[in-house]
Amino acid sequence: AQSVTQLGSHVSVSEGALVLLRCNYSSSVPPYLFWYVQYPNQGLQLLLKYTTGATLVKGINGFEAEFKKSETSFHLTKPSAHMSDAAEYFCVLHPPNTGNQFYFGTGTSLTVIP
Amino acid sequence: DTAVSQTPKYLVTQMGNDKSIKCEQNLGHDTMYWYKQDSKKFLKIMFSYNNKELIINETVPNRFSPKSPDKAHLNLHINSLELGDSAVYFCASSRRASSSGNTIYFGEGSWLTVV
Repeated sequence: AQSVTQLGSHVSVSEGALVLLRCNYSSSVPPYLFWYVQYPNQGLQLLLKYTTGATLVKGINGFEAEFKKSETSFHLTKPSAHMSDAAEYFCVLHPPNTGNQFYFGTGTSLTVIP
Repeated sequence: DTAVSQTPKYLVTQMGNDKSIKCEQNLGHDTMYWYKQDSKKFLKIMFSYNNKELIINETVPNRFSPKSPDKAHLNLHINSLELGDSAVYFCASSRRASSSGNTIYFGEGSWLTVV
């Protein structure tokens, strides 16, 4: 069975502090994993994705995520939070070669405190 | 050019009305989707079309009917609107399933409010 769990529906950080958004997955096949960001009143935008190869992937706006198979995790990080990072973040799992199924986490709302 | 565009962005309508949301993608993708996002930001797949053929039809009321005139368009028609239909509806598209994986691209959303 495929599933994604995002730990913490709300995360608050101070401006300039480390951002860490947690995502754990369950998959019967090696998964492809994505992080999407949704700014207020907008659609979802791809931040980064992991398919194969290097387990540390870099995305837009200074975000990166590391695929850890042993921990079944794909946590999203950013060294220094900006006010503009305040948004909803979604971790998404896509099992390759299994059709067009995408499994969404329940989202984490990031608040950045000035 | 907007890759996935949907209209209208905001829609306020009365209970019992029928409304449609249109979606178009210019990415050349074979697969299109409709997702519903509730007030808690939870995203739920409603429908998926692959080259105009329905491949995913989650448990949604029959009042919701998708229509795909061609692979670049997937419209959502809703009959007899109810208060509980108020949500944000997202259109999305991706390439057909492949071994290299797919990225799903979303439209800007359509905010539906039923009063």
